[in-house]
Order: sequence, then C-alpha cells, then structure tokens
Amino acid sequence: QSVLTQPPSLSGAPGQRVTITCTGSTSNIGGGYDVHWYQKVPGTAPKLLIHDHENRPSGVPDRFSGSKSGTSASLAITGLQAEDEADYYCQSYDKNVKVVFGGGTKVTVL
Amino acid sequence: QLQLQESGPGLVKPSETLSLSCTVSGGSISSSTYYWGWVRLPPGKGLEWIATIHYSGTTFSNPSLKSRVTISVDTSNNQFSLKVSSVTAADTAVYYCASFYYSTAGRLDYWGQGTLVTVSS
Repeated sequence: QSVLTQPPSLSGAPGQRVTITCTGSTSNIGGGYDVHWYQKVPGTAPKLLIHDHENRPSGVPDRFSGSKSGTSASLAITGLQAEDEADYYCQSYDKNVKVVFGGGTKVTVL
Repeated sequence: QLQLQESGPGLVKPSETLSLSCTVSGGSISSSTYYWGWVRLPPGKGLEWIATIHYSGTTFSNPSLKSRVTISVDTSNNQFSLKVSSVTAADTAVYYCASFYYSTAGRLDYWGQGTLVTVSS
C-alpha cells in the first residue's frame, strides 16, 4: 500500500485528455512538499516529466502539465499520443517515510 | 549533464548481501547541488525508494528496509554504493541509482540505466 495513491490504470483514444491523480495527506503533499512526476517505459529508466508540481524540464512536450491542490496533485496529458503509453509515477516527501512514490498508473492509448 | 552507471552482480543468493555501486560522470559527487540515492522496481510492482546520501555523509533510509540497508559515498572515485543484507526473493528488482536535486525531498533528475538483481539459489 503506497503512501501516495494513484489509479492503477487509465486509457484514452489518441487526441484525448487523460488526468492522473496522486492523493496523499498532510504528512506529504498537504504539508507543502513538492510533487514530481515520472514517465516509465518498459526497459528504460524513469524520466522526470514534471517537477515542483507544475514545471516541465527542457524537452518535455507541453501536452504534459501538472497541478497541486490540498493533499492531491494531478498530471494531465492532453492530445494523447501513442508514444505516451507508459507507467506514470508521482513522488513527494513524507515527514515519516521520507521519499515516497505513488503506486504508478499504467496509461494505455486505445 | 550528469551520467550515472550502476554496477554489481546480477545474481545474489538468499541470505547473502547485495552490493551495488554507482559511478557518477559529468559532475562531482561532492557537489552541494545533489544528494545521491537508490530506487528499485520489483517485477510487477511500483517504484520503491531505498536510501539517499549526501557527500558530507548524511544518510536517509526507507524505514521498511533501514535495518538491512547501508549506503556510502566514495568521493575519491566519484561513486556511491548500496548494500542490502539478508536478501530474499522479495529483493529481486531492477535497481536504479539517481541524483536528488538539492535534498532528499528533491526531484530525481538523472537516473542510471538500471541493473537487474535476482535473488535465487
């Protein structure tokens, strides 16, 4: 059971919008700690997608966006593309456990 | 641009100690900008943080693994290392080393390619 909760799977047709939620508590996201998002394609290392809730590193397409509200954060993918099929993980800091990841969300492009 | 590379045995026997190293290139492990750490991905499961270290020696470990984990840094060789003792099949995973930006609460912006460690007799 992960400290940060994500839906196990989501799907969408090409061009659609998909939103992944990451629900925490006052010990982590709600405590003011930053949320980061990673894309994990099988056989490759995780790739930083969004940092500090909403910032995209250089090279990440602007169809990826992040937000945070209260004890939750969200990653939105607009204009879904076949290459976006991957696992997505949120990450934050927790007062008790230190570094925490969400359980991961598998995004399938229909 | 930092580059990280894991190295170590791919097969470890149950009850023995798993040992991995991570070599950092493109920057100094003694930089105040980064902490250094390990994350693993067990088959069919999600990412799990293991431990983090700063070049000054400050360490943090996952409470669920703390008693079995040792993380260390070798500034002369620009490397940091991980030891997990008394391994079981549950420790089978792809192990990644990564850089943590500015603190153990920071983003992991550079990752190694990962190394599969299988625990089996």
